[in-house]
Amino acid sequence: SQTIHQWPATLVQPVGSPLSLECTVEGTSNPNLYWYRQAAGRGLQLLFYSVGIGQISSEVPQNLSASRPQDRQFILSSKKLLLSDSGFYLCAWSLRADTQYFGPGTRLTVL
Amino acid sequence: GENVEQHPSTLSVQEGDSAVIKCTYSDSASNYFPWYKQELGKGPQLIIDIRSNVGEKKDQRIAVTLNKTAKHFSLHITETQPEDSAVYFCAAHLSGSARQLTFGSGTQLTVLP
Repeated sequence: SQTIHQWPATLVQPVGSPLSLECTVEGTSNPNLYWYRQAAGRGLQLLFYSVGIGQISSEVPQNLSASRPQDRQFILSSKKLLLSDSGFYLCAWSLRADTQYFGPGTRLTVL
Repeated sequence: GENVEQHPSTLSVQEGDSAVIKCTYSDSASNYFPWYKQELGKGPQLIIDIRSNVGEKKDQRIAVTLNKTAKHFSLHITETQPEDSAVYFCAAHLSGSARQLTFGSGTQLTVLP
């Protein structure tokens, strides 16, 4: 069966510091991968998606970037965090580009 | 692009009563409609989904109905229990799009004991 992992689970970072969040999927090959952000009490905002290694599509212009160095690994990064980057970051995967399965999320607090 | 509206934003029901959450979508080419349940501090979990060639689907206490003509779909939860309390999201997928699901804004369901 497929499993999706995210780490770290929680993170507290100062403004201006770098960021690296990692997502890995087990039990499948060549999945579509997604990064979402969820502000407190709000809906899901798609940040990036990838249909293959090295292929990244950005949905929202911001100071975040994403990379997919391996088939089942998706990384979300920032060179300098802003206060507005705080939120709950969710990674998801799909095979048919319709049903998406979410990971447990990373709670990021920027102080 | 696709737009999904979800109502109500909050819903409180007594334990044992039914709960209904409704969503409308804008693009008639959308063909897949999942529902997710998100408990506090966790990632959304798929609870039921329906494709456009089906009008209704049921899984124990949960059912989803789809009206393609009116472009709306609904989640029905019967015999609600306190553990049903969570945020529920509907979504729509545009046929042929590798991009994403378009999500509704969510409904906070509270089941009162």
